[in-house]
Amino acid sequence: GNSVTQMEGPVTLSEEAFLTINCTYTATGYPSLFWYVQYPGEGLQLLLKATKADDKGSNKGFEATYRKETTSFHLEKGSVQVSDSAVYFCALTPGAAGNKLTFGGGTRVLVKP
Amino acid sequence: NAGVTQTPKFQVLKTGQSMTLQCAQDMNHEYMSWYRQDPGMGLRLIHYSVGAGITDQGEVPNGYNVSRSTTEDFPLRLLSAAPSQTSVYFCASGSGGLVGEQYFGPGTRLTVT
Repeated sequence: GNSVTQMEGPVTLSEEAFLTINCTYTATGYPSLFWYVQYPGEGLQLLLKATKADDKGSNKGFEATYRKETTSFHLEKGSVQVSDSAVYFCALTPGAAGNKLTFGGGTRVLVKP
Repeated sequence: NAGVTQTPKFQVLKTGQSMTLQCAQDMNHEYMSWYRQDPGMGLRLIHYSVGAGITDQGEVPNGYNVSRSTTEDFPLRLLSAAPSQTSVYFCASGSGGLVGEQYFGPGTRLTVT
């Protein structure tokens, strides 16, 4: 079956530091890949997505590139802010159709001023 | 647009009690789903629906029932609550044209004692 593995947190950073959260996946075929973010006390929001190999998703200064050869979709941001403190989830859907999301365990990020 | 709304926000049940978690969306989305979120395990799919009158099981359906009589509403019923169902429950909706892009409600925190 499909699965997503992401680095465990918490990740604690200082403001303006570089953030990387690793994500690898196992899936048959050609999944679509996503990063969702959950701010304290809220539901999840889509942060970015990529639907085919070598696509780069980007939003709010975050980027992730769909690497089929390494089955990875690592999230990066060059300079984090306190407001980026949240839990980040990597997820996939199987193929180009369908909405059934498989999530990783989530990585809590805490940015200190 | 209110987006995806869930009620109640918090609920405490005793073992064996039943209850219904409500979910509604006003975006005319065909796809709706229920997830539970447990520490370190990400979100796991309980049940989903691809349209009114159509429901199917996800990864962890046991102990839960759903129905979809209208496009807008997708209630989740706990038949006989157990402590293992203590969790945070999220409802989500999505359009079939936006693969994997789902909109999440604010969640219901359920405690079963």
